[in-house]
Amino acid sequence: DTAVSQTPKYLVTQMGNDKSIKCEQNLGHDTMYWYKQDSKKFLKIMFSYNNKELIINETVPNRFSPKSPDKAHLNLHINSLELGDSAVYFCASSPPGQGISPLHFGNGTRLTVT
Amino acid sequence: AQSVTQLGSHVSVSEGALVLLRCNYSSSVPPYLFWYVQYPNQGLQLLLKYTSAATLVKGINGFEAEFKKSETSFHLTKPSAHMSDAAEYFCAVSDLNTGNQFYFGTGTSLTVIP
Repeated sequence: DTAVSQTPKYLVTQMGNDKSIKCEQNLGHDTMYWYKQDSKKFLKIMFSYNNKELIINETVPNRFSPKSPDKAHLNLHINSLELGDSAVYFCASSPPGQGISPLHFGNGTRLTVT
Repeated sequence: AQSVTQLGSHVSVSEGALVLLRCNYSSSVPPYLFWYVQYPNQGLQLLLKYTSAATLVKGINGFEAEFKKSETSFHLTKPSAHMSDAAEYFCAVSDLNTGNQFYFGTGTSLTVIP
């Protein structure tokens, strides 16, 4: 199936640990994103990559580091996890189009930090 | 800078009643506007989009939205609500200047009462 897939779906870990979330899209899109959705459902962009190049880097703690090995993958690594990092993280992709093309979202990774 | 305001974080309607979810945008240039739906434990799915063609846009599942420049609005409507419409709805804006940056509203949770 063509889609944006991210793993794992659920991630429960303790404070101070390091974890990664993987994202892959087989839609042939050039641009990929990471969004964070908090407990109030607010969506905030974290990063955007276009063809493996970082183009959007919002105010995010440097404990968060995206990595794009190729344009179909955008992984998110988080160091020294904190309670406030608990949220749902969404990967998304879009074709070229300078804002006119919609986002395609993965199903999210629910991160719980205890 | 672009922004989106969704009035009403929670909307309840009876099954069969009109659904109206409000979205107002702020943009200094012609915007591209989107409505997304999020079902529980899923990612966001595109309902419809406005990209400067017809001002009345029809989407999936019987939803439609009308772009009104004079009111800077892009309200989402559906003539008759179904139980399956219960979900979180997000309005988003982008434009040529923002490139691949999308700005999301805070979401409206729709409850359908049987």
